[in-house]
Amino acid sequence: DAKTTQPPSMDCAEGRAANLPCNHSTISGNEYVYWYRQIHSQGPQYIIHGLKNNETNEMASLIITEDRKSSTLILPHATLRDTAVYYCIVVRGSNYKLTFGKGTLLTVNP
Amino acid sequence: EPEVTQTPSHQVTQMGQEVILRCVPISNHLYFYWYRQILGQKVEFLVSFYNNEISEKSEIFDDQFSVERPDGSNFTLKIRSTKLEDSAMYFCASSEGAIYNEQFFGPGTRLTVL
Repeated sequence: DAKTTQPPSMDCAEGRAANLPCNHSTISGNEYVYWYRQIHSQGPQYIIHGLKNNETNEMASLIITEDRKSSTLILPHATLRDTAVYYCIVVRGSNYKLTFGKGTLLTVNP
Repeated sequence: EPEVTQTPSHQVTQMGQEVILRCVPISNHLYFYWYRQILGQKVEFLVSFYNNEISEKSEIFDDQFSVERPDGSNFTLKIRSTKLEDSAMYFCASSEGAIYNEQFFGPGTRLTVL
């Protein structure tokens, strides 16, 4: 699976949009970009995934660049409960496992 | 909303003892996984399981580890002879399919080996 690079930490003000970047410059054509988050020591939580088109669900939006070498997860109105470690993971379709990196610790401040 | 459950939430054991961690995946899911997270470190994949067989396992999942689906609802991880370095949070996950399906994680079992 392609390796990802994320900033170790970011801050965001409550109510503002949080934009979390991820670099995956070695991604292959059949690999998807997944985002999960882990609040404190809870189990990771799925957020969103995409291949090449932008995606949106009730939690977030995922913007993938045209060359697919990077993506941005957008939480449109961050709340204090969104404080968590966010993981960008590239997954090959036939690969069962998720390979977690260190992720980005997003701290939402009041 | 359906969720993955795990028991116990915290298990303390002596080195060399056997432990069994239990998970109840979401009922219509067919793929099951175990991950672990040593305190302060990354979440690590251990094993995936489908159709009563291991689909993939990591280097961590050696002969001391085994998984089983003893009935239609439970999915277990057994560690035969625990070591100090097995102390970690163990997460069970399940997914409806294998390809491009999100994995749903349980709350974890904290294993402490003394």
